[in-house]
Amino acid sequence: GAVVSQHPSWVICKSGTSVKIECRSLDFQATTMFWYRQFPKQSLMLMATSNEGSKATYEQGVEKDKFLINHASLTLSTLTVTSAHPEDSSFYICSALALTTDTQYFGPGTRLTVL
Amino acid sequence: GDSVTQMEGPVTLSEEAFLTINCTYTATGYPSLFWYVQYPGEGLQLLLKATKADDKGSNKGFEATYRKETTSFHLEKGSVQVSDSAVYFCALGENNDMRFGAGTRLTVKP
Repeated sequence: GAVVSQHPSWVICKSGTSVKIECRSLDFQATTMFWYRQFPKQSLMLMATSNEGSKATYEQGVEKDKFLINHASLTLSTLTVTSAHPEDSSFYICSALALTTDTQYFGPGTRLTVL
Repeated sequence: GDSVTQMEGPVTLSEEAFLTINCTYTATGYPSLFWYVQYPGEGLQLLLKATKADDKGSNKGFEATYRKETTSFHLEKGSVQVSDSAVYFCALGENNDMRFGAGTRLTVKP
């Protein structure tokens, strides 16, 4: 089946630093990828939709200058949390849309802890 | 806006027990409905889906029926196994706009 990987799976950083999270579709191409954020015991909240070769579309309330998204190829999207603060600590999940099956495939998530 | 509400967990069952996880939705149109499962340490996996009213999605012994009259999409399984222990998410929408419930953690004890 279609597999989506994320790297790193967990990261701890100091306040004020930037963290990059990678999302890769391993055996299919994805023109569209999605980034979600999940707080403990809460649902996934869509942050942005990433389209290959174009600017990401951000959901209302998500700061595009803080959460930089790059979708440079059909198999890779990156999310960079810039100048991270403790309130950015969360579980970040990406997904990739497989056109052949019209299905979103999810990565395992990245747990970010900002000290 | 469109949203889903699913029963709070955690749910703990004995092996071979009957499972129901309730999910209701609010939508202005007629979105597709989904159940996703997240096993420990893994990403969300599509369990089943239904695209229109009265459709029944089924997979791995799980079933859910798209009920427009009650705006529900309850997940059921007749006999759960220990390997079904996971977090289950109800969701609605289309692939470019998905809304998820909060998730229900299921633990099945032998």
